[in-house]
Amino acid sequence: EPEVTQTPSHQVTQMGQEVILRCVPISNHLYFYWYRQILGQKVEFLVSFYNNEISEKSEIFDDQFSVERPDGSNFTLKIRSTKLEDSAMYFCATHRDFVKNIQYFGAGTRLSVL
Amino acid sequence: EDKVVQSPLSLVVHEGDTVTLNCSYEVTNFRSLLWYKQEKKAPTFLFMLTSSGIEKKSGRLSSILDKKELFSILNITATQTGDSAVYLCAVEAGNNNDMRFGAGTRLTVKP
Repeated sequence: EPEVTQTPSHQVTQMGQEVILRCVPISNHLYFYWYRQILGQKVEFLVSFYNNEISEKSEIFDDQFSVERPDGSNFTLKIRSTKLEDSAMYFCATHRDFVKNIQYFGAGTRLSVL
Repeated sequence: EDKVVQSPLSLVVHEGDTVTLNCSYEVTNFRSLLWYKQEKKAPTFLFMLTSSGIEKKSGRLSSILDKKELFSILNITATQTGDSAVYLCAVEAGNNNDMRFGAGTRLTVKP
């Protein structure tokens, strides 16, 4: 069964460093999302992406965050200068089209900012 | 502000019990409500509900949506230890498909 693949599974970084989290969507999916889940808290929407541009973003998705699809397959989330409070599980989710809009999640990347 | 509220936050039952998990919502331009099961990592899809009063079933799990009263329930009958997980309710609203999640219900099924 096709799945959303995220790498790395765990990323440890120092405060102030840049990190890039990667997601390979299911091959015919066109809509991409990033969510985060701080330990013990609820899943929060960050950003949605379609047709090579951001469709919507939440208040969490400030100037430190960016997304892109650099090579037509990977969908990346970049955090420019990480803060301690960015430590969380980051999930990528994708769906095929506006009608078949069930989002399928990757296994997540655990980001630990020290 | 969009709100998705799940209850209870946590539930402990014994194998064979039936459980009902609740999700209420207040959102603008409701599109659909989804239930996910989160065990160790990624939420896995259970149901998507868009119409009121139509029960969706998958084995021992079933779910129904009430768009007038703005809530959904997820039922699990004859629970098993493998049902232990956090059950997440998410609502798609607005013009995009991004979802707003509830805090989840942590279900523990004891042997």
